[in-house]
Formats: sequence, structure tokens, C-alpha cells
Amino acid sequence: GEDVEQSLFLSVREGDSSVINCTYTDSSSTYLYWYKQEPGAGLQLLTYIFSNMDMKQDQRLTVLLNKKDKHLSLRIADTQTGDSAIYFCAETTGNTGKLIFGQGTTLQVKP
Amino acid sequence: DTAVSQTPKYLVTQMGNDKSIKCEQNLGHDTMYWYKQDSKKFLKIMFSYNNKELIINETVPNRFSPKSPDKAHLNLHINSLELGDSAVYFCASSLDSSYGYTFGSGTRLTVV
Repeated sequence: GEDVEQSLFLSVREGDSSVINCTYTDSSSTYLYWYKQEPGAGLQLLTYIFSNMDMKQDQRLTVLLNKKDKHLSLRIADTQTGDSAIYFCAETTGNTGKLIFGQGTTLQVKP
Repeated sequence: DTAVSQTPKYLVTQMGNDKSIKCEQNLGHDTMYWYKQDSKKFLKIMFSYNNKELIINETVPNRFSPKSPDKAHLNLHINSLELGDSAVYFCASSLDSSYGYTFGSGTRLTVV
């Protein structure tokens, strides 16, 4: 079946690194995504990784994928107060393009 | 501006009413979606259309009826609204699944 799990809450201090973790169950996932949702707003695509990759880096963001353990993580370096938001992990499988989302991790950044 | 736009942004209505939410994208994408986000922020797909053809129809009450007059528009009509329909409804579109979705800013529906 399709299931994506995330921890619900993470609190860090400004300037520290944040690591948000996600596990998924569908081994046929082709792409995995990280979305950011700020209060009262829609979801913004942050980054994505193809299932045959282990790592992807994009400025302050690093995505690590462990396909054997079906574990995905998002590391935000030098976390800023503007990074406070809900972060959703998502996977897509099959050819319908259906995205399955995790429950979202609320990131709180303390000054 | 290129975007996915939804109207209205807020909708407050009484139980039993019928309401519609409209969505338009000018990105040239072939596929459009409706997602429901509940009070715990959980996002669940409701429908997906590819080039005006319904391709995903999850377990949604048949009071919810999507309509896609063309590939740039996907509207959601809800009959006989219930308290449990209160949520934020997001429209999204994609070129293909590998690029992820572009989301609209959401419609907050409150049924009283």
C-alpha cells in the first residue's frame, strides 16, 4: 500500500541545521518530493529527488534518500526564522501522477 | 502572472447548501487535481483530470462533482454541504508527474 510517515514537530534555533525525516512504504516510488506550506498559503515545491539518486543538494537544502530503508530526509542548513513552516514529504507512483503526502512536520525556528 | 488560481479564497455557507469552487491554470499543464486538507493539515487527493478526462476518483461522497470544461479549468461542485466538509481545498496542476505539482493558494470552506 501507499503510506508516508513524518514526525509532527521539530524545533531548532536560528543558525542551526534542521533535519526533517520521512519514511514511505511503496518501493515502486519514482519521485519523492519536499513541499513547504506557510500559514494561510498553498504548498510550494522545494525540491525533489528521483528514486535512483542518493542525494541532491540545492543551496541550503540537502535531500538524502535511502531506498533500501525507504527513508527520505531534508536538511536545511543555517535555518532562518523565515523557514518556519510545515514541511510535507510526498511520493508519486504509477502513471497517474497521484501524490501521496505525509502528515507534515511543523518546523519552529527560535531566534 | 503564471499560476494556479482558485476562487473564492474563503467560503462560509450553511449546511445543506450547494456551492462551487473554481480553478484555473495558465501554465499549459495537462493534468489538474483537487486535494482536501483537513484541520490536522492532512492532504488527501480527491480527483484528477488529464486533458478533461477523469483519471483519479478517490473515495469521495458523490455530493462532490468535478467538472473540467477544458484542460485549463477544473471546478468542484459540492451539493448538500455538511459540517464535515469544512476544510481547505487545494487545486493543483502538473505537466507530468516528474515535476511535481503547482498548487493554488487554497479555498477555506466553512460549513455552519
